[in-house]
Amino acid sequence: DAGVIQSPRHEVTEMGQEVTLRCKPISGHNSLFWYRQTMMRGLELLIYFNNNVPIDDSGMPEDRFSAKMPNASFSTLKIQPSEPRDSAVYFCASSLKVGHTGELFFGEGSRLTVL
Amino acid sequence: TQLLEQSPQFLSIQEGENLTVYCNSSSVFSSLQWYRQEPGEGPVLLVTVVTGGEVKKLKRLTFQFGDARKDSSLHITAAQPGDTGLYLCAGVQGGSEKLVFGKGTKLTVNP
Repeated sequence: DAGVIQSPRHEVTEMGQEVTLRCKPISGHNSLFWYRQTMMRGLELLIYFNNNVPIDDSGMPEDRFSAKMPNASFSTLKIQPSEPRDSAVYFCASSLKVGHTGELFFGEGSRLTVL
Repeated sequence: TQLLEQSPQFLSIQEGENLTVYCNSSSVFSSLQWYRQEPGEGPVLLVTVVTGGEVKKLKRLTFQFGDARKDSSLHITAAQPGDTGLYLCAGVQGGSEKLVFGKGTKLTVNP
């Protein structure tokens, strides 16, 4: 069975450009999470969805960040406009259980570099 | 302020040595997970502990949850180069149902 699939794996863009990161969770999983990882701050939860509904977006840094989950098999994280401080590895994870109590299955991440 | 403090931040040892890494907090957690992350990949779950004082073993890895459910440790016996990676602890705070991660311990096991 395929794991969590993220695209692109690497993205290099210039400040001010729009960035869209994509995620396909494991089929049948009920929760989806977006995390950002940096050396300074570690893994930070940005937003999570239960059954496609956004539950907590308090970790989204600014209005420049938005996330959607139009159906159970697809989610996007958009940054518009991007800034150099957004450079990080962005992970999508899914879980069979609703909420945070179950095992999280992570994708391989999308490494974003904003010049 | 980091909710979960992991120590040491970096650890480099020789193959065959034993090691312990720590995950500490002033908060009580209803459960705690340990993940290992290899370069270029996402974290992978190793274990979940839920009961204060619980000890779980996974081959050469021993995980312990503190009696007060505020801290945890991971002990590796006879480390091997394949154990190299970033070890992350993550806890669910009682009442918040939110999983928070520590910054991790980066372990390097040299052959």
